[in-house]
Amino acid sequence: NAGVTQTPKFQVLKTGQSMTLQCAQDMNHEYMSWYRQDPGMGLRLIHYSVGAGITDQGEVPNGYNVSRSTTEDFPLRLLSAAPSQTSVYFCASSYFGYGTFFGQGTRLTVV
Amino acid sequence: GIQVEQSPPDLILQEGANSTLRCNFSDSVNNLQWFHQNPWGQLINLFYIPSGTKQNGRLSATTVATERYSLLYISSSQTTDSGVYFCAVRSQGGSEKLVFGKGTKLTVNP
Repeated sequence: NAGVTQTPKFQVLKTGQSMTLQCAQDMNHEYMSWYRQDPGMGLRLIHYSVGAGITDQGEVPNGYNVSRSTTEDFPLRLLSAAPSQTSVYFCASSYFGYGTFFGQGTRLTVV
Repeated sequence: GIQVEQSPPDLILQEGANSTLRCNFSDSVNNLQWFHQNPWGQLINLFYIPSGTKQNGRLSATTVATERYSLLYISSSQTTDSGVYFCAVRSQGGSEKLVFGKGTKLTVNP
């Protein structure tokens, strides 16, 4: 039982490049989400999903895309990376009425 | 949307001291959680506590939903308690979004 697995742990991108952050969970959780964490800002919700085929926007969705084709996977796509997207990204999953579990985070730098 | 405020923003303690962290929220909630982010960045769920009181070792939490606040108590603090403590809530009757406060940074000195 691995919990929430995020890859990669570190990534450097050039402005304009695209990439996908992977997130997988093996707990059969319906709810999955992506957050970014910036100094002094806490965790801000980018996108979330309440089940396969259902996604919705959070507080800061611009520049990011998600899909949820299976219960287990919830990838986050950066369409055209910008320096403002330099951040630490966390994937999380939960089941309603229970606690939320986080992945280890991805430290992304856009140069 | 729902607002979450945590206090104090920073707290410095000597090992062995007790502390209370507060989380105020602006709307009724059906989900409230406390998390600890350790100095290596890992986020650990401490409590799922939309109402009532729970205890886990030296940590305990109380949520008074009718008055829209929650408290996290840390007793006999240890250096390993250092890090940032986050409160997160989901608005009752609202969307499925879990909204985080900005955290309380705790430093426990030996």
